[in-house]
Amino acid sequence: TQLLEQSPQFLSIQEGENLTVYCNSSSVFSSLQWYRQEPGEGPVLLVTVVTGGEVKKLKRLTFQFGDARKDSSLHITAAQPGDTGLYLCAGYSGSARQLTFGSGTQLTVLP
Amino acid sequence: DTAVSQTPKYLVTQMGNDKSIKCEQNLGHDTMYWYKQDSKKFLKIMFSYNNKELIINETVPNRFSPKSPDKAHLNLHINSLELGDSAVYFCASSQRTGPRYGYTFGSGTRLTVV
Repeated sequence: TQLLEQSPQFLSIQEGENLTVYCNSSSVFSSLQWYRQEPGEGPVLLVTVVTGGEVKKLKRLTFQFGDARKDSSLHITAAQPGDTGLYLCAGYSGSARQLTFGSGTQLTVLP
Repeated sequence: DTAVSQTPKYLVTQMGNDKSIKCEQNLGHDTMYWYKQDSKKFLKIMFSYNNKELIINETVPNRFSPKSPDKAHLNLHINSLELGDSAVYFCASSQRTGPRYGYTFGSGTRLTVV
């Protein structure tokens, strides 16, 4: 079983602060995806990273895929209350043909 | 214009009952999935269908049976419901299987077994 551990599990910060969420595994993945989930809704895809060492930026969000394709990070600059939500990383395994989700990070940004 | 819609949104039922959750996607995607999210928000794959063919069947009780009448629909039928089945069930779809394809999720069905 491929496990993805996210840290921290909970994060509460003030508006304007920066933060980083980590997603780690002992397994190698073909790609890593990040999703954000709000209460009462399904996860929404933010980004897919495929190449080891790849960095993608989405406005104030920066995603990085580790060189060995076993880990990833999500960095948010100048967090806003609208960034509040559950952030989920998910690794795609080509052999299993499935997406395995991480344990999640609940982010709260206080105004 | 909902991309992945599942019904009902909430389902409260007694132990031992049989219930179904319906899912439809209008994205023209080839692959559909059922995930279960527990009280700790952990999402676990249950089933995956590609063009109506079952490709993933994780270790779930055989009381759970998926049915895909066509590429746009994947329904989940649950027999003899148990207390431990209480969770949020998500339907999702992707254009096809592969590392570059993201999933589009429905808004979930909160199942409560009493």
